[in-house]
Amino acid sequence: QKEVEQNSGPLSVPEGAIASLNCTYSDRGSQSFFWYRQYSGKSPELIMFIYSNGDKEDGRFTAQLNKASQYVSLLIRDSQPSDSATYLCAVNKNYGQNFVFGPGTRLSVLP
Amino acid sequence: GAGVSQSPSNKVTEKGKDVELRCDPISGHTALYWYRQSLGQGLEFLIYFQGNSAPDKSGLPSDRFSAERTGGSVSTLTIQRTQQEDSAVYLCASSLRIAGANEQFFGPGTRLTVL
Repeated sequence: QKEVEQNSGPLSVPEGAIASLNCTYSDRGSQSFFWYRQYSGKSPELIMFIYSNGDKEDGRFTAQLNKASQYVSLLIRDSQPSDSATYLCAVNKNYGQNFVFGPGTRLSVLP
Repeated sequence: GAGVSQSPSNKVTEKGKDVELRCDPISGHTALYWYRQSLGQGLEFLIYFQGNSAPDKSGLPSDRFSAERTGGSVSTLTIQRTQQEDSAVYLCASSLRIAGANEQFFGPGTRLTVL
């Protein structure tokens, strides 16, 4: 079992819809969770991080964490074509120690 | 500078040659990470530096890979006797590493092509 798993996609949603991106992780000791967006040919950029169970909202983005189920998700409301990118889930076991990235989910928002 | 910088942005080399990749982290960031990303793949952790502590080298794929960080700032990743499978984008990231705020900021990467 890989440490961090994501569906590779592509996930296609129409403009204005909600895009739901999922990530599961294997290490119950994981402490913090990050979502990065990576446009083709560019480096990853941080969207959100979450440490506590529940939801965390930032604009059109909501991160959801369920440590019991070892599951973290990212919801993108009112999806725009500019949201089309690969979304990487990253898990940090111990604050400051190495991060493990998932393979990424490619999202395509259709105009 | 305002962000993480890396040089060169592109490097083409011949198989068997050594290469050095440079990373300048965000000023004041104590943690520095190197990753490798092959085409269409996720990020592969290589090495992590935190302050004056011994680096976490657990991700280095072979003894041809090494890295150092001088003065707690600039880092150099060296690949000796490059192989074609080393071709990838090498990404550097830095973070402040304080409790509750250890998110990483990435540089633009160095695209390495080994012919």
